[in-house]
Amino acid sequence: KAGVTQTPRYLIKTRGQQVTLSCSPISGHRSVSWYQQTPGQGLQFLFEYFSETQRNKGNFPGRFSGRQFSNSRSEMNVSTLELGDSALYLCASSLALSTDTQYFGPGTRLTVL
Amino acid sequence: AQSVTQPDIHITVSEGASLELRCNYSYGATPYLFWYVQSPGQGLQLLLKYFSGDTLVQGIKGFEAEFKRSQSSFNLRKPSVHWSDAAEYFCAVGPLDTGRRALTFGSGTRLQVQP
Repeated sequence: KAGVTQTPRYLIKTRGQQVTLSCSPISGHRSVSWYQQTPGQGLQFLFEYFSETQRNKGNFPGRFSGRQFSNSRSEMNVSTLELGDSALYLCASSLALSTDTQYFGPGTRLTVL
Repeated sequence: AQSVTQPDIHITVSEGASLELRCNYSYGATPYLFWYVQSPGQGLQLLLKYFSGDTLVQGIKGFEAEFKRSQSSFNLRKPSVHWSDAAEYFCAVGPLDTGRRALTFGSGTRLQVQP
């Protein structure tokens, strides 16, 4: 079974631009979560989607948004990019229940210049 | 609020030596506990998890972890380290609330393996 895929793997943007990252979960998984990883703040939860609904949101500004499609694929969008948004963005998928393990994709490395 | 502490930022061990990575958590009830490993430029790979039952959990690659409620700890161990184990290791705690699946991660421990 194919794992979690994320596209693109690398991205370079400039301040003020916006960016969209994509995540395709493992087949059959209905929950998708997003995390930001930076050297200074570590791994931080962004948000979680289940059945096209946002179920949980971390402590990030409104510039960070996401959505999930009927096929469980998810996108996250960051508007008005800041230098501090440079990070590895990880997507994780799981079946449904809170006890289900989250499986992570390889991440998208975003660099903001 | 839940939190995870990994007190060791960086650990160096010799190949073949035993390993123990420390993890302490703060949570109001019995948490779900995980250990993930991350190689450079890669995502996170699950090593093992604890939900309930036997407090000694076996994982992949010869790793095990023991849940100690009295010490709020979930330390990761391996009896004999291989050079390929060099990576960053993250302990994480997950909530019991079925409506929330956000993981809280520790800051990670970077493992270096000397030949």
